[in-house]
Amino acid sequence: EAQVTQNPRYLITVTGKKLTVTCSQNMNHEYMSWYRQDPGLGLRQIYYSMNVEVTDKGDVPEGYKVSRKEKRNFPLILESPSPNQTSLYFCASSYGTSGYDEQFFGPGTRLTVL
Amino acid sequence: TQLLEQSPQFLSIQEGENLTVYCNSSSVFSSLQWYRQEPGEGPVLLVTVVTGGEVKKLKRLTFQFGDARKDSSLHITAAQPGDTGLYLCAGAGIYSGGGADGLTFGKGTHLIIQP
Repeated sequence: EAQVTQNPRYLITVTGKKLTVTCSQNMNHEYMSWYRQDPGLGLRQIYYSMNVEVTDKGDVPEGYKVSRKEKRNFPLILESPSPNQTSLYFCASSYGTSGYDEQFFGPGTRLTVL
Repeated sequence: TQLLEQSPQFLSIQEGENLTVYCNSSSVFSSLQWYRQEPGEGPVLLVTVVTGGEVKKLKRLTFQFGDARKDSSLHITAAQPGDTGLYLCAGAGIYSGGGADGLTFGKGTHLIIQP
């Protein structure tokens, strides 16, 4: 089944404790991205990757890191999480890098930073 | 970042009624997508419109892209409880080359269809 998987689905952690949210897609997609979704603010892009070893900042990159060592994986790293990073996170991928390519979203990771 | 304003933010109507939600911007978009998101899941693409004035139909859902490619609407006829969800529009900015990196999402319309 073609899908984007994220792990974990739920995470409660404390300020400053490094964490990684994994994202994997099995559709051989070129483009991958991370979003956070907050009430009243909608979906905002954190980082994106056009291809392996090519990553760039989105609209809200502060406090996050990413890597794209393999085409299928695009982990999101929070080196020192803070409470303002409490949010619902989505990984997405698309076949091409055009704005009209369908974005396939993962099921989301709900992160709480205490 | 180009802004997309969606209205209304919240809409609760009875089954069988018609409704329209709007997605507006002062910017021109090379393409515009509509997604639906259900609780506990990620957004799922409903449609992509590319040409100004384009109209696409998906069963009881009708999508229109404005002539100037600055706005779009989603009309639902005879709404069903299964239409309940968060509807998001997303535009690919013409000034960012129309790439996925320039995709901007609206804040969404929360739609509840009561039986």
